[in-house]
Amino acid sequence: DAGITQSPRHKVTETGTPVTLRCHQTENHRYMYWYRQDPGHGLRLIHYSYGVKDTDKGEVSDGYSVSRSKTEDFLLTLESATSSQTSVYFCAISWGQRGDTQYFGPGTRLTVL
Amino acid sequence: GEDVEQSLFLSVREGDSSVINCTYTDSSSTYLYWYKQEPGAGLQLLTYIFSNMDMKQDQRLTVLLNKKDKHLSLRIADTQTGDSAIYFCAEAGNNRKLIWGLGTSLAVNP
Repeated sequence: DAGITQSPRHKVTETGTPVTLRCHQTENHRYMYWYRQDPGHGLRLIHYSYGVKDTDKGEVSDGYSVSRSKTEDFLLTLESATSSQTSVYFCAISWGQRGDTQYFGPGTRLTVL
Repeated sequence: GEDVEQSLFLSVREGDSSVINCTYTDSSSTYLYWYKQEPGAGLQLLTYIFSNMDMKQDQRLTVLLNKKDKHLSLRIADTQTGDSAIYFCAEAGNNRKLIWGLGTSLAVNP
């Protein structure tokens, strides 16, 4: 298994509070991704990174920001959480080889009350 | 636009073969993937196929690729209850991103 951890694994928070999710990898992979998974919507890309300090928006980036100051860490921040951001969040990493094979972390279940 | 389509549900009996189908849109995709997600877990890479191949076999798994019809299938032989999961099809898109299907939920009945 690729060395990917996500923290926290579960979080309950209130509307309007800031939340930061962390993805940590030990593989030194260049590319990192944040997805959310919701019933009926499959996986949707929030933001991705192709190197330190290089990030770009995915299809559902509104209300989210990211930072990558080190190769191994990719942070996802919800500046002011809303109930619509209740979801399961997955981080993925990729070497950029064999196409774009991605390896996933275990996920963070976030509930916004 | 880019889109990957899968049927949402499949139910099979234990011991039978399962076939999960997927259609994709980008004929220039170099790699196509199958991922498995068990309940409460992350996605696990199951197998992939390069676009210059028609078939790939890996133990109980057989992947068939029909580039003309842009059709990908995953066959699981001798399906077991442990194969119950959601199976995602994905194609390599632009800018190091994958384009995902919505997933097929496979139920294996004893």
